[in-house]
Amino acid sequence: QVQLVQSGAEVKKPGSSVKVSCEASGGTINTYTVSWVRQAPGQGLEWMGRIIPILGVTKYAQKFQGRVTITADTSTGAGYMELSSLTFEDTGVYYCARGQGPAIGGLQPLLYWGQGTRVTVSA
Amino acid sequence: EIVLTQSPGTLSLSPGEGATLSCRASQSVSDNYLAWYQQKPGQAPRLLMYGASNRATGIPDRFSGSGSGTDFTLTITRLETEDFAVYYCQQYASSQLTFGGGTKVEIK
Repeated sequence: QVQLVQSGAEVKKPGSSVKVSCEASGGTINTYTVSWVRQAPGQGLEWMGRIIPILGVTKYAQKFQGRVTITADTSTGAGYMELSSLTFEDTGVYYCARGQGPAIGGLQPLLYWGQGTRVTVSA
Repeated sequence: EIVLTQSPGTLSLSPGEGATLSCRASQSVSDNYLAWYQQKPGQAPRLLMYGASNRATGIPDRFSGSGSGTDFTLTITRLETEDFAVYYCQQYASSQLTFGGGTKVEIK
């Protein structure tokens, strides 16, 4: 069974950056699409972007373009999401999620999810 | 970007009743690449349905999905206590994935 384990909670100051990691066990992320999804307190789900690790190909939501960087390390099977120029509105829980099937099969729904990383932006 | 609008925002129902959740897209979702997720408080979302009408592994058959083009429905027959949660639709037809705003199914 694939498990995605994310890094721990972060508290950041406005204007700074945060980098969240996502490590896979029981399976790989390298040949699958890995998306990052944000959830602000009491709000819905917001897709931020995705990567196909083995190709290094990324796609970002227009809202986050220029501020988010999604990377992956195929040697360790870990994915990363870095968000810069943080504001109070970036407070929330950040999830990584892996596609259901291999990326070569096209776009996929998100089957495996990490436990979420809470990011708090506070002065 | 494909905008997904879910209705109603909240459904108040009793265990044993049925639920019908709607998801409307601002443009046609090609190949019916529409998924439904369930989220409970403090938990990550869980994939329920994909391809509009295919149940993910381990999802009970009281959950069913239907629809095509711009109109999609998630139906839950005979609600059980563990089904009270928030449900999101998501399209994965375009390179910019999007989620609907969610429908909360609460105990009446």
